[in-house]
Amino acid sequence: GQQLNQSPQSMFIQEGEDVSMNCTSSSIFNTWLWYKQDPGEGPVLLIALYKAGELTSNGRLTAQFGITRKDSFLNISASIPSDVGIYFCAAQNYGGSQGNLIFGKGTKLSVKP
Amino acid sequence: NAGVTQTPKFRVLKTGQSMTLLCAQDMNHEYMYWYRQDPGMGLRLIHYSVGEGTTAKGEVPDGYNVSRLKKQNFLLGLESAAPSQTSVYFCASSVQGPVDGYTFGSGTRLTVV
Repeated sequence: GQQLNQSPQSMFIQEGEDVSMNCTSSSIFNTWLWYKQDPGEGPVLLIALYKAGELTSNGRLTAQFGITRKDSFLNISASIPSDVGIYFCAAQNYGGSQGNLIFGKGTKLSVKP
Repeated sequence: NAGVTQTPKFRVLKTGQSMTLLCAQDMNHEYMYWYRQDPGMGLRLIHYSVGEGTTAKGEVPDGYNVSRLKKQNFLLGLESAAPSQTSVYFCASSVQGPVDGYTFGSGTRLTVV
């Protein structure tokens, strides 16, 4: 079935650093979304992307919908401690998964010890 | 505005016991979903509903049943719990489908012993 491959699986951040993560697939999607999950909570929508090549920002977060429609990227600039959590990409293809979202396995952000 | 409320937040079941997880949303959303989250597996769709009185199977429906008798409520039932159903369960809702993004509840942590 359709799968989203998220990388890296985990990373450590130091306050002030920029962070990049991505999500790739062998399938084409019409919509890409990025969610963040804090410990003990449900995921919260950060950014939604609806067009190939689209670049959208939400504060220090910037996400891009890949030109091939098979990938998406999320960048966090000047990270702060509250950025720690798990980031999920999600995508929808009207023709697959009954039109529902499928999720990547997540990128876990932790603070560098 | 409460959003999506899940009850209970925690539960321990013995193998073979049954239980119902309740999800309630006060946003008048048409679509509702049940996901399970396991370490390293991301979020997997169990069942979903596109409106009152409708339900459909997701990616991992075996061992679960659902009902949507009222628009605001979506119930997830486990008829005979198994240790493999130990997981964190998330309910989500959306206005009219995945492109709107999902609003998630804060989860139910279920342990089956």
